[in-house]
Amino acid sequence: NFMLTQPHSVSESPGKTVTISCTRSSGSIASNYVQWYQQRPGSSPTTVIYEHNQRPSGVPDRFSGSIDSSSNSASLTISGLKTEDEADYYCQCYDTDSTTWVFGGGTKLTVL
Amino acid sequence: EVHLVESGEGLVQPGGSLRVSCAASGFTFRNYWMHWVRQAPGKGLVWVSRINGDGSDTRYADTVKGRFTISRDNAKNTLYLEMNSLRAEDTAVYYCARSATGSGVDWGQGTLVTVSS
Repeated sequence: NFMLTQPHSVSESPGKTVTISCTRSSGSIASNYVQWYQQRPGSSPTTVIYEHNQRPSGVPDRFSGSIDSSSNSASLTISGLKTEDEADYYCQCYDTDSTTWVFGGGTKLTVL
Repeated sequence: EVHLVESGEGLVQPGGSLRVSCAASGFTFRNYWMHWVRQAPGKGLVWVSRINGDGSDTRYADTVKGRFTISRDNAKNTLYLEMNSLRAEDTAVYYCARSATGSGVDWGQGTLVTVSS
């Protein structure tokens, strides 16, 4: 089994760019697709990135995903920050050995 | 459009049982693996269980193994989670989720399970 580690919180100003990291503790980050979910207060999660870097229809292109094998991590980048982007963000991937999902602890994004 | 609607919200005493359901529509239910994910108050998302398309293969998180049972009725397009021997730490919003290659994960709105005396 492995863990996904995210920063507890990040903050940035409107119009700026922020990157949230998700580091895999063991095994290659490239071996299983990474998804990213946005959860606004009082709402259920929604997918903003799937399969490392794909955006569902309706998600603005301000959201992008990537992986970096050298740091064994995935990243979610949000450009042109808007106050509506303020939310919790979770990374997740599939554990091939156990055929289960693994979530990161979540990152609270504050746009101030 | 994919719709997942959970039901079965309730307050249960420690040691009690509850079944939550997830009604699915907008897709061919039997073709997709389904998951339960929970979120305790003020905490993060935690995977609970999953089931394959025909219900023949299930997996559970260690924290619920032996107490929870996931199942599905493909004729009714409904996913279930039977929860027994409930503990205070099982208090959470329970979300059902559809796993789909090439389109990401779809989520329901969640249903609250409270375990308290």
